Amino acid sequence: NAGVTQTPKFRVLKTGQSMTLLCAQDMNHEYMYWYRQDPGMGLRLIHYSVGEGTTAKGEVPDGYNVSRLKKQNFLLGLESAAPSQTSVYFCASTDGEGSLLPQETQYFGPGTRLLVL
Amino acid sequence: GENVEQHPSTLSVQEGDSAVIKCTYSDSASNYFPWYKQELGKGPQLIIDIRSNVGEKKDQRIAVTLNKTAKHFSLHITETQPEDSAVYFCAASRVGADSWGKLQFGAGTQVVVTP
Repeated sequence: NAGVTQTPKFRVLKTGQSMTLLCAQDMNHEYMYWYRQDPGMGLRLIHYSVGEGTTAKGEVPDGYNVSRLKKQNFLLGLESAAPSQTSVYFCASTDGEGSLLPQETQYFGPGTRLLVL
Repeated sequence: GENVEQHPSTLSVQEGDSAVIKCTYSDSASNYFPWYKQELGKGPQLIIDIRSNVGEKKDQRIAVTLNKTAKHFSLHITETQPEDSAVYFCAASRVGADSWGKLQFGAGTQVVVTP
């Protein structure tokens, strides 16, 4: 049981390049989240998904897109990277299966460090 | 929306002493308050949480207190050890059908325990 995994661990992009961050969870969790972590700002929610095929905007969604084609995977895309997107990105998931409400504990991946030059 | 403020941003304590981190929240409808610990190079991990119908909760050396009237909650670590060195985040959430488990995090507290 690997929990939540993220790919890649580290990436350097040039301004304007695109990339996709992959999050995978093997806990059969219904809800998944993408956060960015910046110094002095805690974790801010970018996008989230409450089930396969559904996505919604969080607090800071601009410049990002997401997809949840499979229940276990949640992809975060940057279409045209900007230096302001230099950050550490974390994915998390929550067990909502069998319940109308998500279980509160969020399980986090190890993070992806992204540097945009 | 919810706003969570966390203090202090850094905290240095001697091994064996206690550490206290405080958070305030703005949304009186928030009813779930978790604390996460993040070790260097890792993702945050839940260490303790409290719900609004409880005033205090303990788990070995860590405890959390909640004051709903003042809208603040605190993390207490007693008998600190070097392995307690990490970044700690508080968070608040309004658990319900329309919240989808979303958490609003504080900015984090870097705790350093010196031997």
